[in-house]
Formats: sequence, C-alpha cells, structure tokens
Amino acid sequence: GQQVMQIPQYQHVQEGEDFTTYCNSSTTLSNIQWYKQRPGGHPVFLIQLVKSGEVKKQKRLTFQFGEAKKNSSLHITATQTTDVGTYFCAGHDSWGKLQFGAGTQVVVTP
Amino acid sequence: GAGVSQSPSNKVTEKGKDVELRCDPISGHTALYWYRQSLGQGLEFLIYFQGNSAPDKSGLPSDRFSAERTGGSVSTLTIQRTQQEDSAVYLCASSLDRAEQYFGPGTRLTVT
Repeated sequence: GQQVMQIPQYQHVQEGEDFTTYCNSSTTLSNIQWYKQRPGGHPVFLIQLVKSGEVKKQKRLTFQFGEAKKNSSLHITATQTTDVGTYFCAGHDSWGKLQFGAGTQVVVTP
Repeated sequence: GAGVSQSPSNKVTEKGKDVELRCDPISGHTALYWYRQSLGQGLEFLIYFQGNSAPDKSGLPSDRFSAERTGGSVSTLTIQRTQQEDSAVYLCASSLDRAEQYFGPGTRLTVT
C-alpha cells in the first residue's frame, strides 16, 4: 500500500534561520496537503497542491509539489517562535483515502 | 458555520470498561476520519467513512474498536474492554471528498 514518509522527524532551528522539511510517497499522489499542529492543539490545514511542479507561497512558507507528484517540500524562511509545532504532509491515494506522514516536529530556539 | 465538534473533551475510565466517543462533522461533509494520537506522536489512522461506501476499517488496532456513522453525519467510535494502551487523544476530521480536512478538538482518553 501507499506510504507517505517525512524527513526529518525533528528539526531544531535557531530563530531567523531557514529550514526545509520533505515528504515522499511510494506512489503517485493526486494531491498533497500540509497541516500544522501547535503543541496541545489539533492539526490545521495550511495548503493543498494539485499540479505537477506546483509551487505556492504563504508569507515565509514555500510549498512545492514534485514533477512526478511523489514528493513535496515545505521551506520556511527566517524562522520565528510562532513556527513551533509539528508539520504534517498528507496525500490522497487512488482510492481517495488521505494518508498522513509521521510529521516533522519543529523546535525554535530564540 | 460550526466546525467539527467532539465529545466528551476528556474521558477517564477504568480498565475493562467500554467507552463511546462522538464526532459531529461539518454539515455536508462526505468524508469522515478517526485518528489516534499518543503524546508526541503522529496521527494513527483508525477508520474512514466516505459517503455511502463501506468504511475502510483497516486502521482499527483490534476487534475491541468499532465505529459507525449514522445517516452520513454523526459518528461514534466505541472501544470495548478498554486497556491502558488505549490512552491517547482521539481525533475526528471531516472533509468534502478530497478537499482539506477539518479536525475536531479531540477527546483525551485516559484508562486507569
């Protein structure tokens, strides 16, 4: 079956630095979604990418969907303490079920 | 309109007792998912309902777990003969087909 993997599992970042988290699927995805879960909260939808090679930006966050629609990345520039949380990617398989990655837990050091 | 709601928000139960967790999805959402999340861990898929199709129960960890969705709306997750390893936050999410998921606040289950 389809597997969605995220790396790294943990990311310690100095405030002001950039970092990237990656999402890889064993099969082609119809779309990729990204969610953010703050400590003590529930996952909140950030963005959805559908097209091959698509790039979308939300302020300091840049999301990319690979050409083969099997991988995705989230790049955050000038990290702030408000970026703390766990970032999950998720993709729909051919049966329409959404598969989540294990998440990247981000810790920001002031 | 209202988001996804879950009840109760917290549940403490004794080992061996049965519990029922409720999820009220956003009106009109055809897809409903249940997940389990242990402290500091990722989302463990439990079950998926899509419209009138048979649910995907492939994530249920044992036959003590079951779920139903009545009338394509409210869903109930039932855990029979609870064990301490069932302690976790149970999250429900709903969506319109393949659109973004909206998560409820979760039910924190503690089995003593």
